[in-house]
Amino acid sequence: EVQLVDSGGGLVQPGGSLRLSCAASGFSFSNYWMIWLRQTPGKGLEWVANIKPDGSVINYMDSVKGRFTISRDNAKNSLYLQMSSLRDEDTAVYYCARTDFNVRSTPDLWGQGTLVTVSS
Amino acid sequence: DVVMTQSPLSLPVTLGQPASISCRSSQSLVYSNGNTYLSWFQQRPGQSPRRLIYMVSIRDSGVPDRFSGSGSGTDFTLHISRVEAEDVGVYYCMQGTHWPTFGPGTKVDIK
Repeated sequence: EVQLVDSGGGLVQPGGSLRLSCAASGFSFSNYWMIWLRQTPGKGLEWVANIKPDGSVINYMDSVKGRFTISRDNAKNSLYLQMSSLRDEDTAVYYCARTDFNVRSTPDLWGQGTLVTVSS
Repeated sequence: DVVMTQSPLSLPVTLGQPASISCRSSQSLVYSNGNTYLSWFQQRPGQSPRRLIYMVSIRDSGVPDRFSGSGSGTDFTLHISRVEAEDVGVYYCMQGTHWPTFGPGTKVDIK
């Protein structure tokens, strides 16, 4: 079955760190750009970061630059998001997603999401 | 960033009746290769978003043909020809031409 399974969310204090993981199965993970997105009631859906199949190109939304790091391990079919210096406004459901092979910057497969709560 | 707006934000519909959702972008979504990267997503309650349509009007595999997309430049529309109960949820437009951004969502429910 083609799927993405997100994990690693939880409660963390402001200023803390958390690492999210995404396990891919059922497709050739190493051929796809991968993405982390997040969703909040206030700001809606946001594109957080993306990474090229070989990891050589990475892009971040402005508000997470210098604090979040996206990475991947193609041998393990896994995507990661290392989050540090977390702020209240980083509270969200985080989704990993696959970018359509043939359509620029368009997710065609989403994980189930993992909730990150930043609170003291 | 490109700002995506949608209207209406809430859409009560009658089963079997048509519905449409408008999406507008603050900049043209035509990419340098001539393609327009505008997609529509459906998010049912408690689920992740699911892509319905990409590049304005191409329906994803398995998406019922009652869903269709149209538009160009900065103005786009999602059409549902006859609303069914399973169509309840929030619908988002998203552009991938520039740094990707999403619309605020339109909540569709049954009258």
